[in-house]
Order: sequence, then structure tokens, then C-alpha cells
Amino acid sequence: DAKTTQPTSMDCAEGRAANLPCNHSTISGNEYVYWYRQIHSQGPQYIIHGLKNNETNEMASLIITEDRKSSTLILPHATLRDTAVYYCFGGSQGNLIFGKGTKLSVKP
Amino acid sequence: GAVVSQHPSRVICKSGTSVKIECRSLDFQATTMFWYRQFPKQSLMLMATSNEGSKATYEQGVEKDKFLINHASLTLSTLTVTSAHPEDSSFYICSAREQETQYFGPGTRLLVL
Repeated sequence: DAKTTQPTSMDCAEGRAANLPCNHSTISGNEYVYWYRQIHSQGPQYIIHGLKNNETNEMASLIITEDRKSSTLILPHATLRDTAVYYCFGGSQGNLIFGKGTKLSVKP
Repeated sequence: GAVVSQHPSRVICKSGTSVKIECRSLDFQATTMFWYRQFPKQSLMLMATSNEGSKATYEQGVEKDKFLINHASLTLSTLTVTSAHPEDSSFYICSAREQETQYFGPGTRLLVL
């Protein structure tokens, strides 16, 4: 699986868009980009995944660069309940090796 | 989306006893499930990969005789912590894979006294 790099923490104002970046420069051509989040004291929650094209679902949008070396998760209108640690992964859904992720704090 | 449940959500036990945690995929079949452990203020650590009908694959440093994993059906995997000690107190989380996506359970908080 690809090694990923994420900022340690980010702040976002409630109601504004939260843009979370991830670098996965070693991702191979058949590996997906996955995003999960973990809200305090809960199991991780699947958010979205993609291969090459940008993806959107009811939770978020995923923008993958053309060279696939980085991606951005976009929460269009962040709420206080989006405060969590966000993890990105590059892989084929074998073992997910969790790093430190990005701690997103949504502030009123 | 796919739903994974765990039971119990929290358990307190005495040192030396065994505790069984169940992980179920509710609306899909999972040939592969995973078990993770998370200590306070740390990230999730993969303990083992559970494959239906075969032996689990354990990560380095995880004692297979202490953490018994059984994946007897396509919707159920169990983790038994044998002879539990206070240092086994942790948050145990399972996940199940449906096609190319893993879905996680809500976790089981274990406290060993």
C-alpha cells in the first residue's frame, strides 16, 4: 500500500468548506484512494474512495490530481459533528495501516 | 452503506478471565474481517486478519494463543481475549470487507480489573 502524508491538524469554521489534503506519491496504478474518519470513541467511518476520477457522495467530495500523487477531501459545509480525525489511504483494501491522520476541529 | 456490528459495546472483567467479542456483517457477506486495537490517544493498530474457514493471520507481536480468532461463517468473526490482564484493557475494533471497501464496527471497550 502507498505511504501517505497528511497535516497533523486543521481548523475550520462551522458552515465553511473543509479541504483536507493528502499526499500519496507512491500509489500504484491499480490502488484506490480511501478516506475514513474517526469521531472520538467510535469506530472509523468510511467516507469515500476513488481511483482516477473525482467522486462525490452525500458526505463529501474527493478530488484526485491527474498524476494521482495527491488528493483532497472536501466537506462542503462543515458542522460541529464533523470534528474528527481524518485518515487517507492508498491501497487495495488489504490491511489498512493507520497513521496519525488529520485532526479536524470545526469551530462555531 | 454496509453495516458492521460488535457485541458487547463495553465489558468489564476480572484479571485471569476470558472475554469474547463478536463482530457481525449485517447486510453483506465478508470472507475477510480484520481486528484492530486502539489505546488512548493512539491510532488503530492492526492485530490480525481473519479469513472465513481458515486460520487467522496475526501481525508481528500479537500473541495468537492469547487473542483467539474464529471466523466460522461469512457474517461472524469472534475475538477471544484469554486470561485477560489489565494491560489488555483497550478499545477493540473489527472491520469487514465488502468488495473493495472496509467497513468498521462501533468498537468494544474492554476494561480488565
